[in-house]
Amino acid sequence: EDKVVQSPLSLVVHEGDTVTLNCSYEVTNFRSLLWYKQEKKAPTFLFMLTSSGIEKKSGRLSSILDKKELFSILNITATQTGDSAVYLCAAPNNNDMRFGAGTRLTVKP
Amino acid sequence: NAGVTQTPKFQVLKTGQSMTLQCAQDMNHEYMSWYRQDPGMGLRLIHYSVGAGITDQGEVPNGYNVSRSTTEDFPLRLLSAAPSQTSVYFCASSPRVSWGEAFFGQGTRLTVV
Repeated sequence: EDKVVQSPLSLVVHEGDTVTLNCSYEVTNFRSLLWYKQEKKAPTFLFMLTSSGIEKKSGRLSSILDKKELFSILNITATQTGDSAVYLCAAPNNNDMRFGAGTRLTVKP
Repeated sequence: NAGVTQTPKFQVLKTGQSMTLQCAQDMNHEYMSWYRQDPGMGLRLIHYSVGAGITDQGEVPNGYNVSRSTTEDFPLRLLSAAPSQTSVYFCASSPRVSWGEAFFGQGTRLTVV
């Protein structure tokens, strides 16, 4: 059965810390892995990864995919209170998108 | 810039009632989908559509119907609401294929009593 597993489920850090969020996946017909940030309401898109070893970066956030080991990581450096959110990863199997349960990140001042 | 618009934002139903959650997008996206989000379970796909006139089931379709008569609209119908359908529902759309970036509506919080 296709599945996406995220770890840890929750994480509490202080401003300035660096965090690493993990996502492992098992989907047939793998095409891409996506990361989203969800604050109060709708998830918003962060990254889409399709190739191993190529790091995607956006400011303090970066992500990389390992297609051999079937996982991805999302790094956030110099965390800020505004980074507090649930981070979701997802992997589609044809037209069926599978999401992980999410990692709830809390950044304390 | 409307994007994906969902209505209503909140709804309380009695067991056995029916209702329709509305979803509209103005980005001319082919792919649209409905998810439910429950605590600790992430987002689960209910139904999706790859274009007008075409719909298919996702991971948790039971108790829900959809239709796609136009590119813009993708309503979700609850036929006979049950307490197990208490959840937050999100509609999403993507430009061409299901495996790219999705744009989400603001969600509908549904409570069935």
